[in-house]
Amino acid sequence: AQSVAQPEDQVNVAEGNPLTVKCTYSVSGNPYLFWYVQYPNRGLQFLLKYITGDNLVKGSYGFEAEFNKSQTSFHLKKPSALVSDSALYFCAVIASGYSTLTFGKGTMLLVSP
Amino acid sequence: DAGVTQSPTHLIKTRGQQVTLRCSPKSGHDTVSWYQQALGQGPQFIFQYYEEEERQRGNFPDRFSGHQFPNYSSELNVNALLLGDSALYLCASSLASLAGNKNIQYFGAGTRLSVL
Repeated sequence: AQSVAQPEDQVNVAEGNPLTVKCTYSVSGNPYLFWYVQYPNRGLQFLLKYITGDNLVKGSYGFEAEFNKSQTSFHLKKPSALVSDSALYFCAVIASGYSTLTFGKGTMLLVSP
Repeated sequence: DAGVTQSPTHLIKTRGQQVTLRCSPKSGHDTVSWYQQALGQGPQFIFQYYEEEERQRGNFPDRFSGHQFPNYSSELNVNALLLGDSALYLCASSLASLAGNKNIQYFGAGTRLSVL
């Protein structure tokens, strides 16, 4: 079975500072990894994905994520946080050969002015 | 280009009732997946439809059923509602192809179901 862990319920960062939202995964075979963001009363918006290739993946709104196979991690990063980045962030995994997403429980990111 | 649309946005039902939620996929997409997101939790996979058939199913009871129509739109039906069925129900669409982006799922805004 596949699983995703997001160890932090909430991450607080000041505007302009770098941010990291952590994610680790467990899956058989090669993983497909995703980050989604959810704003209040909205659905999930796709940010970025890792399928294969470069371990550093760039996505929407200046976000990037680093895939680390040995640590089974896929941490979300941004060099300079904005107040508008405040939202709920979900990491998700699909096992190779499957097509359904398994999500973590989410991490609330709060960026203070 | 319309994204994934879901209706209704909110719904209030009482225990034991039945409910139907609807989803229209993003233009060009042929696969629809349904997820349940309880308060404070990540979305959990219910089932996925492709070519009008249920292709995969998560760990949900038979009270949860679905349908996909020839135009790729989909319905989620829940019978004999329980208080624990209160959640945000999300529909996601994708394209079942061998292209590199095949597994990106695009989500609708969801239907908030409250069971009293």
